[in-house]
Amino acid sequence: NAGVTQTPKFQVLKTGQSMTLQCAQDMNHEYMSWYRQDPGMGLRLIHYSVGAGITDQGEVPNGYNVSRSTTEDFPLRLLSAAPSQTSVYFCASRRGDKANQPQHFGDGTRLSIL
Amino acid sequence: DQQVKQNSPSLSVQEGRISILNCDYTNSMFDYFLWYKKYPAEGPTFLISISSIKDKNEDGRFTVFLNKSAKHLSLHIVPSQPGDSAVYFCSYGRWGGGADGLTFGKGTHLIIQP
Repeated sequence: NAGVTQTPKFQVLKTGQSMTLQCAQDMNHEYMSWYRQDPGMGLRLIHYSVGAGITDQGEVPNGYNVSRSTTEDFPLRLLSAAPSQTSVYFCASRRGDKANQPQHFGDGTRLSIL
Repeated sequence: DQQVKQNSPSLSVQEGRISILNCDYTNSMFDYFLWYKKYPAEGPTFLISISSIKDKNEDGRFTVFLNKSAKHLSLHIVPSQPGDSAVYFCSYGRWGGGADGLTFGKGTHLIIQP
């Protein structure tokens, strides 16, 4: 049971480059979300999706795009990377049938923007 | 303005003793608080939650207490074990109305001393 899988685990980009962080879950969870964690900070919500075809902005959405074409996948796109986007990115998913269903997190993607 | 505050960046406790991790919040509009545990280079894992209509929830060695009048909650770990050494995040969940996501505190690094 893989759970939530994030790829790549590490990535170094130059300022202005674009890339897509991949996230896949095999638990048939309706809800998926992306967070970033900066040093000494808690996780902050970037974007989330409550189902295929439905996405919305979280607390820190600027500079990121998402799409949800399938239940399983929720990629995060950086259109033009900036040094301020250097962070660890976590993808999460959860069941949608009850409000208190906990989120399951992937192991993260460490992204450095030079 | 930080909505979830964990004012102790680190806490050192002797093995076998009680660990108490504290969390304060400012927003009274929540459904659940959730505690997550995080090891280095891994994603957060769900530990225990508490509903806004309860003041205590227990699961094995872990107990969470909620004091709504003081806007304070605490996580008790008894007895503390070496494997409990990790960063603990307090978070509250926003659900419903198409919204989804967690608001996290900055975390408390718990160190269990042998």
